[in-house]
Amino acid sequence: GQSLEQPSEVTAVEGAIVQINCTYQTSGFYGLSWYQQHDGGAPTFLSYNALDGLEETGRFSSFLSRSDSYGYLLLQELQMKDSASYFCAVAAMGRDDKIIFGKGTRLHILP
Amino acid sequence: KAGVTQTPRYLIKTRGQQVTLSCSPISGHRSVSWYQQTPGQGLQFLFEYFSETQRNKGNFPGRFSGRQFSNSRSEMNVSTLELGDSALYLCASSLNGGVSEKLFFGSGTQLSVL
Repeated sequence: GQSLEQPSEVTAVEGAIVQINCTYQTSGFYGLSWYQQHDGGAPTFLSYNALDGLEETGRFSSFLSRSDSYGYLLLQELQMKDSASYFCAVAAMGRDDKIIFGKGTRLHILP
Repeated sequence: KAGVTQTPRYLIKTRGQQVTLSCSPISGHRSVSWYQQTPGQGLQFLFEYFSETQRNKGNFPGRFSGRQFSNSRSEMNVSTLELGDSALYLCASSLNGGVSEKLFFGSGTQLSVL
C-alpha cells in the first residue's frame, strides 16, 4: 500500500529552526511536495523535490532521500505567521498516478 | 489571475439529503481534483477531472460523484448524506493534472451534516 507518516504536532520558538519529517511507503513515486495551510485557509504549495537533495526557497528548505524513503521540511528564522499545518504529499506512480497527502503536522510557535 | 473559487463557503444539510458543490479553477487550468479534509485525517483524494473526463478516483463510495464542464468548472455531488460526510471539501486546479504539478487550492466548502 501507500502511506505517509509525519508528526501530528511540533512546537518551536520564534526565531529558531524547525524540521518536519515525512516518511513514506510507496512502490514508486515521482517526487515529494510540501503544502502549508493556515487555519481556515487553503493549502498553498511550498516546494517539490523530484531528486534527492536539498531545495531551498528563502527561509524554507525541503529535502528528499529516496533510498531512505524520507523527506523533511526545514523552516528557519521562524516567525509567528509560520504557525500553520504542513502537509507532505507524494506524487505516486500506479495504474492511476495520484497525489497522496500525509495527515499533516501542526506547527506551534512560541514567542 | 483569479484564484480557485469554491461555492458555497458553508453548507448545512441533514442526513439523507444531497448536496452539490462548485469549483471554478484558475483560468487556463484544465485539471480539477477534489479532496475531503477532516480533523486529523489530512486530505483524502476523491477524484480528478481533466477535459471533462474523470481521470482518477479515490476510495470513496459511489454516493460521491462529480463532473467537469467544457469551461473546466467542476461540480461535486454527494447523495444520501451521512453524518460522517461532515468535512471541508477542497478543490484544486492545475495546468494539466500531472501529479508532479503544483496544485492551487480553493478555500473549500465546509459541509455540516446534521
